[in-house]
Amino acid sequence: QKEVEQNSGPLSVPEGAIASLNCTYSDQGSQSFFWYRQYSGKSPELIMFIYSNGDKEDGRFTAQLNKASQYVSLLIRDSQPSDSATYLCAVNKGYGGATNKLIFGTGTLLAVQP
Amino acid sequence: DAGVTQSPTHLIKTRGQQVTLRCSPKSGHDTVSWYQQALGQGPQFIFQYYEEEERQRGNFPDRFSGHQYPNYSSELNVNALLLGDSALYLCASSLARGQRNLNTEAFFGQGTRLTVV
Repeated sequence: QKEVEQNSGPLSVPEGAIASLNCTYSDQGSQSFFWYRQYSGKSPELIMFIYSNGDKEDGRFTAQLNKASQYVSLLIRDSQPSDSATYLCAVNKGYGGATNKLIFGTGTLLAVQP
Repeated sequence: DAGVTQSPTHLIKTRGQQVTLRCSPKSGHDTVSWYQQALGQGPQFIFQYYEEEERQRGNFPDRFSGHQYPNYSSELNVNALLLGDSALYLCASSLARGQRNLNTEAFFGQGTRLTVV
């Protein structure tokens, strides 16, 4: 079992719709979770992080965390063609004084159709 | 405010050669992590440097080594290159915040595309 699992997609949604991206993780002790967006040929760009159960909203993006079920999701409202990218879910396995040993899923490819 | 910068952006090497990749962290950050991203995969953690020491390491052989300088910049060295080392190498910087490390954020550089032929 992989530590972080994502559906590779592609997930196709029409412009203006809500895109829902999901991620599950295996380590119950995981504390913090990150969503990155990666355009083809580019490096990952941080969208949001979350560490408390519930929802966290930032503009058109909402991250949701359910530690009991060990899943994290990202909702993108009013999807735009410019949102078309691979979305990477990451779990922080860092400890001690150093930070951010991120374990990534393989990413979900999102395609927003005009 | 400069973000994370990596050099070079592209590199072609021959099997068996050695390579050094460089990273300057975002201003104010003190921790540098290196990741390898193969095509179609998520980034894989190689190791992390903090206070000029390797603090955490992923499942990579000893051919992968690194260094951090007093100004927090870092190098990744790979010896005896294999074809399978061809990948995008990413540097991420962050700020250490004590023991719990809950909401620290890591920012990535643009990456170095290494091709081994």
